[in-house]
Amino acid sequence: DAGITQSPRHKVTETGTPVTLRCHQTENHRYMYWYRQDPGHGLRLIHYSYGVKDTDKGEVSDGYSVSRSKTEDFLLTLESATSSQTSVYFCAISPAMTKYNEQFFGPGTRLTVL
Amino acid sequence: AQSVTQPDIHITVSEGASLELRCNYSYGATPYLFWYVQSPGQGLQLLLKYFSGDTLVQGIKGFEAEFKRSQSSFNLRKPSVHWSDAAEYFCAVGAPFGNEKLTFGTGTRLTIIP
Repeated sequence: DAGITQSPRHKVTETGTPVTLRCHQTENHRYMYWYRQDPGHGLRLIHYSYGVKDTDKGEVSDGYSVSRSKTEDFLLTLESATSSQTSVYFCAISPAMTKYNEQFFGPGTRLTVL
Repeated sequence: AQSVTQPDIHITVSEGASLELRCNYSYGATPYLFWYVQSPGQGLQLLLKYFSGDTLVQGIKGFEAEFKRSQSSFNLRKPSVHWSDAAEYFCAVGAPFGNEKLTFGTGTRLTIIP
């Protein structure tokens, strides 16, 4: 299994509070991604990173920000959480120097916003 | 833009029976195609992938998939399912060279009955 950890694994928070989710990899892969998974929608890309300090938006980026100050860490921040952001969040990584863009997934973080 | 359709939300199969999960994609050229499996409460695990060459691809856990360009399909098959195959299955499409993002289908939930 790819060395990907996510923390926390579960979190319950209240509307309006800031939340940061962490993805940590030990594979030294260049690309990192944040997805959310909701019933009926599959996985939708929130943000991704193609290198340290290099990030870009995905299809559902509103209300989320990311940062990547080190190759191994990719942080997802909800500045002011809303109930619509209750979801399961997955981090994924993909190696550089390949054309195949195969992605490996972390175990997920279940976030509940009350 | 690339897209993926998994027309079956839920499929029920008897243990020992054969399985076929459907996936249709939209992309202007030959895409990269993937099948992932997600067991309850787990992350996504790559089952198999297609990049080029032989259109019948073998994966892990006895699964295979066939790329049919004329039908824009990449259906997943298994000749005899086991109770442990109960999970959710996601098809994904990626574009070669320069686009590192994957687009996922909405998933098919597989139930196995004794």
